Amino acid sequence: QVQLVESGGGVVQPGTSLRLSCLASGFSFIDHGIHWIRQAPGKGLEWVALISYDGSHKLFADSVKGRFTISRDNSKNTVYLQMNSLRVDDTAIYYCVVVITTKFDYWGQGAQVTVSS
Amino acid sequence: SYELTQPPSVSVSPGQTARITCSGDALPKQYAYWYQQRPGQTPVLVIYKDSERPSGIPERFSGSSSGTMVTLTITGVQAEDEADYYCQSADYNATCEVFGGGTKLTVL
Repeated sequence: QVQLVESGGGVVQPGTSLRLSCLASGFSFIDHGIHWIRQAPGKGLEWVALISYDGSHKLFADSVKGRFTISRDNSKNTVYLQMNSLRVDDTAIYYCVVVITTKFDYWGQGAQVTVSS
Repeated sequence: SYELTQPPSVSVSPGQTARITCSGDALPKQYAYWYQQRPGQTPVLVIYKDSERPSGIPERFSGSSSGTMVTLTITGVQAEDEADYYCQSADYNATCEVFGGGTKLTVL
């Protein structure tokens, strides 16, 4: 079955960096793009970023453009979200999401990121 | 930036029909998707491509589209349907994905 496991979350200070990882299994990883979607405490869902199946195409939400980067290692079935210059309003649960049949049909359990001084 | 607009809350009694709307200028061009999120849980896709229902989703969930508005309809609402519902689509040129602000469905 499709599994997405996020890791790397934690508590950091504003202005610092953090890297999230998403380990995928149960599907042909090299054939699918991966998205990151986040949810701030008590708030709605916000799409963050997309990386295409081969890493050649990347898209970002305006709120993270220039601060976050996304990459993938197809030999490790893993996608990375590098988050730099973190702000308090980046505090959220970050979900790794894959489109297998349609948007967004498979979600990980999420990684908590807390940015606080 | 592109936005999808949903009502913050909808309330219905058990057995009645709940309708949740979502409006956005690009909806005539881009498909809409609907997600259910119960407290403390991960979102679940309940409608895709405006009106298609994934396997395992009860038939009481349906979707429709008309111009710049899409609607999620839950016919014969049950207590277990109480949750937050989010519409989702892409902007006109598919350069970013967008979620609506979410609608809290309360079953009275």
